[in-house]
Amino acid sequence: QMQLVQSGAEVKKPGASVKVSCKASGYTFIDYYMHWVRQAPGQGLEWLGWINPNTGGTNYAQKFQGRVTMTRDTSITTAYMEVSRLRSDDTAVYYCATGGTTYWFDPWGQGSLVTVSS
Amino acid sequence: QSALTQPASVSGSPGQSITISCTGTSSDVGGYKYVSWYQQRPGKAPKLMIYDVSNRPSGVSNRFSGSKSGNTASLTISGLQAEDEADYYCSSYTTSSTLGVVFGGGTKLTVL
Repeated sequence: QMQLVQSGAEVKKPGASVKVSCKASGYTFIDYYMHWVRQAPGQGLEWLGWINPNTGGTNYAQKFQGRVTMTRDTSITTAYMEVSRLRSDDTAVYYCATGGTTYWFDPWGQGSLVTVSS
Repeated sequence: QSALTQPASVSGSPGQSITISCTGTSSDVGGYKYVSWYQQRPGKAPKLMIYDVSNRPSGVSNRFSGSKSGNTASLTISGLQAEDEADYYCSSYTTSSTLGVVFGGGTKLTVL
């Protein structure tokens, strides 16, 4: 079955960068876009963007352009999402998710907590 | 991108039906049949319940149904069960600012 397994929790200082990984299995990695979504503590879901694992092409939500970078390594079926110039309000659980061509998400990774604190 | 509008909370008794609304604009909910609904329990990743407005993934109970009228989508849960208590989020493809996805603010469902 399709499965996404993410890297573990991270604690970073303001101004630093963090890179979260998402290992895909159970399907052909390049066939489905990989999306990233985050959820701040007690808050709702926020879409960050997607990467096309086949071409490496990306599309970022306007709010995150210039600060978020999505990449992938097809040899190990892993997607990455890096956030730079971290701020305290970037503290959140970051999810990877894949799914259909009509922007629905299934499955999701288990989430990676990123805490930004001085 | 502004979030889609959902009620902060809804409640119902076991066996009853409830409906959660999700209001957007013609650039998202009203313009495309790409509305999805997710259930999220505390500490867990979201789970897809409805996609493409009204389609149910394999394994999701037929007590869950989706619909859309104009700029508002709806999720209906019939025959409420205690296990349905969770947060529910709608999402839609959007063409405002970035071509991508916008989520609703979430609705807390309480089963009384």
